[in-house]
Amino acid sequence: EAEVAQSPRYKITEKSQAVAFWCDPISGHATLYWYRQILGQGPELLVQFQDESVVDDSQLPKDRFSAERLKGVDSTLKIQPAELGDSAMYLCASSFGLAGGWTYEQYFGPGTRLTVT
Amino acid sequence: GESVGLHLPTLSVQEGDNSIINCAYSNSASDYFIWYKQESGKGPQFIIDIRSNMDKRQGQRVTVLLNKTVKHLSLQIAATQPGDSAVYFCAESFGFNKFYFGSGTKLNVKP
Repeated sequence: EAEVAQSPRYKITEKSQAVAFWCDPISGHATLYWYRQILGQGPELLVQFQDESVVDDSQLPKDRFSAERLKGVDSTLKIQPAELGDSAMYLCASSFGLAGGWTYEQYFGPGTRLTVT
Repeated sequence: GESVGLHLPTLSVQEGDNSIINCAYSNSASDYFIWYKQESGKGPQFIIDIRSNMDKRQGQRVTVLLNKTVKHLSLQIAATQPGDSAVYFCAESFGFNKFYFGSGTKLNVKP
């Protein structure tokens, strides 16, 4: 069964350092999401791509976070500089993006657990 | 932003019993809802979804009920099994755009 791949699975970094996460969605999925999940809470959307275009980044802290999906396939989320409050699970999800279809199921990857020290 | 919350942060049930997990949402315009299951160390896994033009939808051992009058969503799990132990999230969206997740309910299944 196809899965969303993410790497690394775990990352420890010092504050003020740069960190990057990679996501490879399920083949053929046009929509890609990056979420941040703080322990004990539900995922919070950071950025949503439709193919290579950003359709929603209203919750992305743009002073330090950036995301790209240059060829409309895999995606990278970067934080620079990292802050202590960025410690969380970063989840990537993808979907067919067929608005108007019955289901809009998002398939999540295993996430990257970031610890900022 | 939207507010999606759960009434019970932790639910303990006996194996074989039925489980009911509740969720309240705040946006009356939300038209699509999903329940996710998240096991420790893993990403959320889709369980079942429902559109606002329905009030009930059934899957394998799971049923989602939607009450738009009181903006309430519930997930019923029949014959709960130890493998059902996880954190369950509801999520809402309007027009299949931004999805808002609740804070989750932890389900503990006692053998």
